Amino acid sequence: GEDVEQSLFLSVREGDSSVINCTYTDSSSTYLYWYKQEPGAGLQLLTYIFSNMDMKQDQRLTVLLNKKDKHLSLRIADTQTGDSAIYFCPEPSGGSYIPTFGRGTSLIVHP
Amino acid sequence: DTGVSQDPRHKITKRGQNVTFRCDPISEHNRLYWYRQTLGQGPEFLTYFQNEAQLEKSRLLSDRFSAERPKGSFSTLEIQRTEQGDSAMYLCASSPSTSQGHYGYTFGSGTRLTVV
Repeated sequence: GEDVEQSLFLSVREGDSSVINCTYTDSSSTYLYWYKQEPGAGLQLLTYIFSNMDMKQDQRLTVLLNKKDKHLSLRIADTQTGDSAIYFCPEPSGGSYIPTFGRGTSLIVHP
Repeated sequence: DTGVSQDPRHKITKRGQNVTFRCDPISEHNRLYWYRQTLGQGPEFLTYFQNEAQLEKSRLLSDRFSAERPKGSFSTLEIQRTEQGDSAMYLCASSPSTSQGHYGYTFGSGTRLTVV
C-alpha cells in the first residue's frame, strides 16, 4: 500500500481549533480511522468514519471525508494541551486490511 | 478485560543477545499484529495472526525475527542476535476479524528495546 500524506507538524494556541489533514490512496476501505499517540505510549483509536459518510461529530472532534479527493480531516475544537500528540490516519493495504501508517502529524499546543 | 498488554515495557540488551517480548491481546479479538516504530516514524508492520495462524509477514522482517501465537491467545516476538538497528518500540495490536463489522485496532503500550 501507499503511504498516506500528512503534514509533519501543526502548532496551535490553546483554545483554538486544530485541523489535521490526510490524503490517502486506497479508496476500498469501509472505515477510515484517526489514531492518537502520546509520547512514550502506544496508539489510541480516537475516532472513525464510515466511508459512505462525509462528516461525523464526536464531542470536540469532527471528521470530514471527501471520498472523491481521498481527503480526510480531523478538526479538534477548543484544543487543549492534553491534545498534544501525534495523530495518524492509516489506510488499509491489501486484501488483509493491514493498516499502513505514515509519519503522522505532530500537534503542538502552546499556551 | 484491560486492553492489550505488553511485557516487558522496557528492555535493554547487549548486541548479539536474544530477546523475547510478549503480547496479551483483548480476549475476544482473533487478530493480532506486531509493529515496530522508530523515533520520528510511524508504526511499521511486521506480522499478523488470525487465531494461531500467521497469515502475513513483512518482507522487511529478517529471519532473525520470529513470532508465534501457539494457542490463538497471547503472542511472542523473538529477535535473535540483536543488532543496534533493532532498537525501537515494538507495538502489539489486536482487532476482531473484518467479518464482524466495524474493526479498529487496540494497541498495547509497547515494549521499548534498546540494544547497546
